Amino acid sequence: QVQLQQWGTGLLKPSETLSLTCAVYGGSFSGYYWSWIRQPPGKGLEYIGESIHGGSANYKPSLKSRLTISLDTSENQLSLKLSSVTAADTAVYYCARGGLPGGFDLWGQGTMVTVSS
Amino acid sequence: QSALTQPPSASGSPGQSVTISCTGTSSDVGAYNYVSWYQQHPGKAPTLMIYEVSKRPSGVPDRFSGSKSGNTASLTVSGLQAEDDADYYCSSYAGSNLYVFGTGTKVTVL
Repeated sequence: QVQLQQWGTGLLKPSETLSLTCAVYGGSFSGYYWSWIRQPPGKGLEYIGESIHGGSANYKPSLKSRLTISLDTSENQLSLKLSSVTAADTAVYYCARGGLPGGFDLWGQGTMVTVSS
Repeated sequence: QSALTQPPSASGSPGQSVTISCTGTSSDVGAYNYVSWYQQHPGKAPTLMIYEVSKRPSGVPDRFSGSKSGNTASLTVSGLQAEDDADYYCSSYAGSNLYVFGTGTKVTVL
């Protein structure tokens, strides 16, 4: 059974870089889109971006200048880096498999990231 | 890209049905048959309940059904059960490898 396990720094100061990693266990890494989605406290879900092995990454336009999503196929891991964070980036960050056509069918457990001075 | 519009809340007694709407635009919901629905319990990651407007992943009860008309998609939960008490989010493909989520609906089983 495929599982996603994620980890990363939970507390950041403004202007620092958010860094998260998501490992895929028990299944194929290739051939799927791998995405990051976030959820501010008490609010809804927000798509951040995605990447696929052998393809390019796609980013939400408003975050594109600060965002890097990359894949390490040797380790079956995807990573997220978001630079110059502010309090508005405080959220639970999820990694997820999929997008088209079947929706986001597998999710990581989520990582709470707080940006505070 | 604006969030899709969902009612903040919906409710029903056990055994009843509840329908949640998800309104977008001709650039997202109206343009593609790639609407999906997610259930989220407090403190948990979302779970996929419906994809491609009306398809159910393996393991999702057939009490959950989806449909779409124009720029509005809908999720119906029939025969409400206590475990259906949760937040529900719709999502749509919006072109150019982008996705947009709905504002979320809190379903309360009375």
